[in-house]
Amino acid sequence: SQTIHQWPATLVQPVGSPLSLECTVEGTSNPNLYWYRQAAGRGLQLLFYSVGIGQISSEVPQNLSASRPQDRQFILSSKKLLLSDSGFYLCAWRTKGGTYEQYFGPGTRLTVT
Amino acid sequence: DAKTTQPPSMDCAEGRAANLPCNHSTISGNEYVYWYRQIHSQGPQYIIHGLKNNETNEMASLIITEDRKSSTLILPHATLRDTAVYYCIVRVVNNNAGNMLTFGGGTRLMVKP
Repeated sequence: SQTIHQWPATLVQPVGSPLSLECTVEGTSNPNLYWYRQAAGRGLQLLFYSVGIGQISSEVPQNLSASRPQDRQFILSSKKLLLSDSGFYLCAWRTKGGTYEQYFGPGTRLTVT
Repeated sequence: DAKTTQPPSMDCAEGRAANLPCNHSTISGNEYVYWYRQIHSQGPQYIIHGLKNNETNEMASLIITEDRKSSTLILPHATLRDTAVYYCIVRVVNNNAGNMLTFGGGTRLMVKP
């Protein structure tokens, strides 16, 4: 069966510090991968998606970036965090073709202080 | 993508059926209806989806009206663990890049003992 991992689970970082969140998927190959952010009390906002290694599409301009160095690895990064980057970051995957079921990871709760 | 409208919150007694409505009056013929839910501090969880026919799985039933302009997610015997935000999403299925989901505000279901 497929599983999706995210780490760390929680993170407290000062403003201006770098960020690296990692997501890995097991049990599937060549998935579409997604990074979402959920601010407190808000809905989900799509940040990036990737349809393959090295292929990244950005939905929202910001100081975050994403990379996909391996088929089942998706990384969210920032060189300098802002207070507004605080939130719940979720990674998701889905198989290509078929319908739209996306499967989400447990999330990383980021607090920028 | 068709816009969806859901009530912001609902209550349900434990053990009773929870019926969550969703309006999607501008839905087009090739758009599916998807339901996800998000339990507090967790990633969203796929529940069910449908196109025209009613669907049932181990989690829930999905009733789609004949004109497809609205649907209802039914949790037949709600438990306290079903307390979550429920999202109704309408989306065209295609194999193009991304195929991301757009999550609106959802319905906050509170199951009470």
